[in-house]
Amino acid sequence: AQSVTQLGSHVSVSEGALVLLRCNYSSSVPPYLFWYVQYPNQGLQLLLKYTSAATLVKGINGFEAEFKKSETSFHLTKPSAHMSDAAEYFCAVMLNSGGSNYKLTFGKGTLLTVNP
Amino acid sequence: KAGVTQTPRYLIKTRGQQVTLSCSPISGHRSVSWYQQTPGQGLQFLFEYFSETQRNKGNFPGRFSGRQFSNSRSEMNVSTLELGDSALYLCASSTGHGGGNTIYFGEGSWLTVV
Repeated sequence: AQSVTQLGSHVSVSEGALVLLRCNYSSSVPPYLFWYVQYPNQGLQLLLKYTSAATLVKGINGFEAEFKKSETSFHLTKPSAHMSDAAEYFCAVMLNSGGSNYKLTFGKGTLLTVNP
Repeated sequence: KAGVTQTPRYLIKTRGQQVTLSCSPISGHRSVSWYQQTPGQGLQFLFEYFSETQRNKGNFPGRFSGRQFSNSRSEMNVSTLELGDSALYLCASSTGHGGGNTIYFGEGSWLTVV
């Protein structure tokens, strides 16, 4: 079964510190991987996606993620946290669910708190 | 370019009633999918429509249904509402139906069942 595991339901960092949000996937084939962010009372906003073009993917708002096949990981990082980064972050994997059908499966989410 | 638009944003229904939520995808997008988000279960896939046909379905009871119109707009319906149906319902759209397509989400419809 394909799944996504986000390690740490809550991560707290200081403003200016490194942000590291962990995501591991289980898949027997190379997946399509995504990171989304959700601000309070809003929908999901795409941060970045991996589609096998490059292992290091740069997204919006200074975030990037590195695909590591050997570790089945797709961790999200940002060198310097800003107060406006406080939100919930979701890692997602899109895999074939039969025929030409694909389904997006989400991790449980990581709530990022940024302390002044 | 307008994003994915969902209406209504907030609604309160009584147990046993039914509800219909509407979604207008980004212009040119032909695939629409629906997700349910709850604190306990997280984000769960409901179904996907492409060219007015349901292409994919999640593990939800038959009370949850949807449809897509020729202009790609979509509606989802929940009949015989239960307290556990209280959730944020998110609609998403993409240009095509297949892996690697970027999926864009709307702001969601908050449903409270009392």
